[in-house]
Amino acid sequence: DSGVTQTPKHLITATGQRVTLRCSPRSGDLSVYWYQQSLDQGLQFLIQYYNGEERAKGNILERFSAQQFPDLHSELNLSSLELGDSALYFCASSVDQGLNYGYTFGSGTRLTVV
Amino acid sequence: KNQVEQSPQSLIILEGKNCTLQCNYTVSPFSNLRWYKQDTGRGPVSLTIMTFSENTKSNGRYTATLDADTKQSSLHITASQLSDSASYICVVSAARAGYALNFGKGTSLLVTP
Repeated sequence: DSGVTQTPKHLITATGQRVTLRCSPRSGDLSVYWYQQSLDQGLQFLIQYYNGEERAKGNILERFSAQQFPDLHSELNLSSLELGDSALYFCASSVDQGLNYGYTFGSGTRLTVV
Repeated sequence: KNQVEQSPQSLIILEGKNCTLQCNYTVSPFSNLRWYKQDTGRGPVSLTIMTFSENTKSNGRYTATLDADTKQSSLHITASQLSDSASYICVVSAARAGYALNFGKGTSLLVTP
C-alpha cells in the first residue's frame, strides 16, 4: 500500500457518460497530480493541485476537470466520454510541489468506455 | 519532441543476468532525475532519485548513474529476477516553479526463466 488511495479500481461506462475518479493523497502530502496512461503509452500529465489550488495543467481535455478539496482529496471528472478515453488514470501525491521530493503513485483506476 | 528518451524500448533477458537501461534527456534547467518501476496495471514505484551533484545511487540490485554533463542516466539491474519484469520509467524534473516533470516512455523489461 503506497498510501495514495484511488477509487474505484475499475470502471466501465458507455460513451457520452460522465464519471468521477477519486484520489486521497498520502498523509501529509499537499500536492496531487493526475496522469493518464493509455495502452502501451507513457504517462501523460493532466493536472496538478497544491493545497487546493490548481498549479499546472498538462494535456488535459476540456471535457475533463478536476478539483482538490479542503481535506486534500481530489476528484477527476471526465465527461462526454469517448472510446479513446479508455485508459489507466493514476493519481500521485508529494509533500511539496514536486521539485525536491519523490512522488507516490496510487494503484490507478482502469476506465473502460464501451 | 519528448525531452526524455529511453532505450531500449523493450528488452528480454534471462533470469540471473544483468542489464542496463538508458535515459537521455534535454530538460533544462535540471533539478533531479528519478527512476520508477511500473508493474503491469499498477502505479509506478520509485527506485531512485538523484540530484545534480549525485552520480550514482543504489537501491538493492538497482544502481542508477547520472552524468549531468552529457545529460545521460542509466539504470543497472544486477542478477535479474523474474519479478524484475516491468516497465522502467525515467522522469526528469526541471528546476522551475510549477509542473516540471518530464516522463520517458519507459523500457519494458521481460526476465525469462
